Amino acid sequence: SQQGEEDPQALSIQEGENATMNCSYKTSINNLQWYRQNSGRGLVHLILIRSNEREKHSGRLRVTLDTSKKSSSLLITASRAADTASYFCATDATGRRALTFGSGTRLQVQP
Amino acid sequence: KAGVTQTPRYLIKTRGQQVTLSCSPISGHRSVSWYQQTPGQGLQFLFEYFSETQRNKGNFPGRFSGRQFSNSRSEMNVSTLELGDSALYLCASSKDDLPGGYTFGSGTRLTVV
Repeated sequence: SQQGEEDPQALSIQEGENATMNCSYKTSINNLQWYRQNSGRGLVHLILIRSNEREKHSGRLRVTLDTSKKSSSLLITASRAADTASYFCATDATGRRALTFGSGTRLQVQP
Repeated sequence: KAGVTQTPRYLIKTRGQQVTLSCSPISGHRSVSWYQQTPGQGLQFLFEYFSETQRNKGNFPGRFSGRQFSNSRSEMNVSTLELGDSALYLCASSKDDLPGGYTFGSGTRLTVV
């Protein structure tokens, strides 16, 4: 079963705009990761944030984590058409090495 | 360096048959995990192997099994295929440095007819 939900389920923006995706989860975690998936392909690891971290940056990506609310957000700044993909959050629960994925957000960036 | 390699890329099988999928992890990665992705259930964890031992198992029936070889390559097997087993099967590898990100292969798309 999936750990939680992501919202929105779908997001359409113009190139150059920022995109924000939210993820909620249910249990205690060791870390939370974000992945990108282009249509029908494998997942690409974007960023990992540990449970004791609150914010992390990587290039145009900014991830926040609020363990008290069991939620995370992924911000993609200055989006490009190449950012069009599905984005998934995944949690790695304490003591396990099995990722539990959210339902994903489909991002469409219009050129 | 080479990524995670999954073979075959596409597979069509008939209900009742069995299938074996293969995954070669990144060199030096000793942990291999398998995931099933379907439109209805999303991405679900199947199992994880490390040093030829299954360390974790998801909530799938016993028809789903796997193994890992001494070179870290892994196979998963599905017996008595059902239509609902049609899915994209993804393999991921990682070093055993907790916590760490996972590198996924491109997947095997299995269609059961």
